[in-house]
Amino acid sequence: DVKVTQSSRYLVKRTGEKVFLECVQDMDHENMFWYRQDPGLGLRLIYFSYDVKMKEKGDIPEGYSVSREKKERFSLILESASTNQTSMYLCASSLGHSTGTEAFFGQGTRLTVV
Amino acid sequence: RKEVEQDPGPFNVPEGATVAFNCTYSNSASQSFFWYRQDCRKEPKLLMSVYSSGNEDGRFTAQLNRASQYISLLIRDSKLSDSATYLCVVNPFNAGNMLTFGGGTRLMVKP
Repeated sequence: DVKVTQSSRYLVKRTGEKVFLECVQDMDHENMFWYRQDPGLGLRLIYFSYDVKMKEKGDIPEGYSVSREKKERFSLILESASTNQTSMYLCASSLGHSTGTEAFFGQGTRLTVV
Repeated sequence: RKEVEQDPGPFNVPEGATVAFNCTYSNSASQSFFWYRQDCRKEPKLLMSVYSSGNEDGRFTAQLNRASQYISLLIRDSKLSDSATYLCVVNPFNAGNMLTFGGGTRLMVKP
């Protein structure tokens, strides 16, 4: 079974803090993604990576950065957390560069910025 | 205009009913299509892929209409356990595997 593991289920941070969300997958997938999910807005793509050290902006990259130093790990960084970044963050991975492959999700990190 | 649009619902149906969801997408070059299911406070999981010829998996039937740019999901003989949010997902590019999600349609199946 594919496993995508996010480092925390719940996180509370203060405004202005630097926040790291970690995601690890164990199936040697090339693609990894970070989404945020908000009521009424669905899942929105923040960043994705199709290979080590490669990254592409998604729909809402502002206020976020990412790091992929190893194939299995994809980190999302909030440089200076703000209250509008309170959300559910979902990491996903998928195999290969062709279309049509299933994305597997981690269990999510519910981040609250106070 | 959102790239992938769904009626958020909720759809409240009795057990045993047949229910259908539609989803429209804006990019005519989209290549692959999926339905994901998300239970409350859980991560999304793939329910089924949607093929051009349509496909069926037990009580679930998915169809694609490229001309009108919509996909549909039909659930027959609804079960209580079908209660969830159903996410329409589109890969808008012809290379790579970046998925765009609709906002989801919530289904509540009642006894």
